[in-house]
Amino acid sequence: AQSVTQLDSQVPVFEEAPVELRCNYSSSVSVYLFWYVQYPNQGLQLLLKYLSGSTLVKGINGFEAEFNKSQTSFHLRKPSVHISDTAEYFCAVSNTGTASKLTFGTGTRLQVTL
Amino acid sequence: KAGVTQTPRYLIKTRGQQVTLSCSPISGHRSVSWYQQTPGQGLQFLFEYFSETQRNKGNFPGRFSGRQFSNSRSEMNVSTLELGDSALYLCASSLATLTDTQYFGPGTRLTVL
Repeated sequence: AQSVTQLDSQVPVFEEAPVELRCNYSSSVSVYLFWYVQYPNQGLQLLLKYLSGSTLVKGINGFEAEFNKSQTSFHLRKPSVHISDTAEYFCAVSNTGTASKLTFGTGTRLQVTL
Repeated sequence: KAGVTQTPRYLIKTRGQQVTLSCSPISGHRSVSWYQQTPGQGLQFLFEYFSETQRNKGNFPGRFSGRQFSNSRSEMNVSTLELGDSALYLCASSLATLTDTQYFGPGTRLTVL
């Protein structure tokens, strides 16, 4: 079984500042890793995913994440945030041996202010 | 291309009733997954259907069931509703496997009174 820990439930940040949202996972097998964003009253939108290959993954809206196998982490970063980035961010993991069964973290609320 | 659609968007039921939620995937997508989102438990995987067959199942009681039709549309059913079933139910579709991007619908907000 896998699990995901998002260490911060809320992250306040000023506009144009950098941000890092932390995600650690636990699994006894190889995994795929994902970051999703959820805007108020909307479904989830995929930001980026790590399947294999380069450990630095670039996604939409200027976000990127780095897969660190030794630290079992997949932190999400953005060098300069905008007000419009205010949303809930979810880290998720799946077993590479199975099909569509995502295990999600509890989410991090990113609050961007002026 | 139209996105994933879910109907209805909002639903109010009373304890003991049953409910059916519908999900229409993006055209060409054959995999449909269902998730329950609650403030206390977060996002939890319910089940996944591919080509009308349940391919994966989460840890939910048998009151939660689903099915997929030949056109890939999916329904999920919850029988004997409990207060704790109040949640946002999200549907996601993808072409075939998990490596394909999953696209989520806006969800159905179920309130059980």
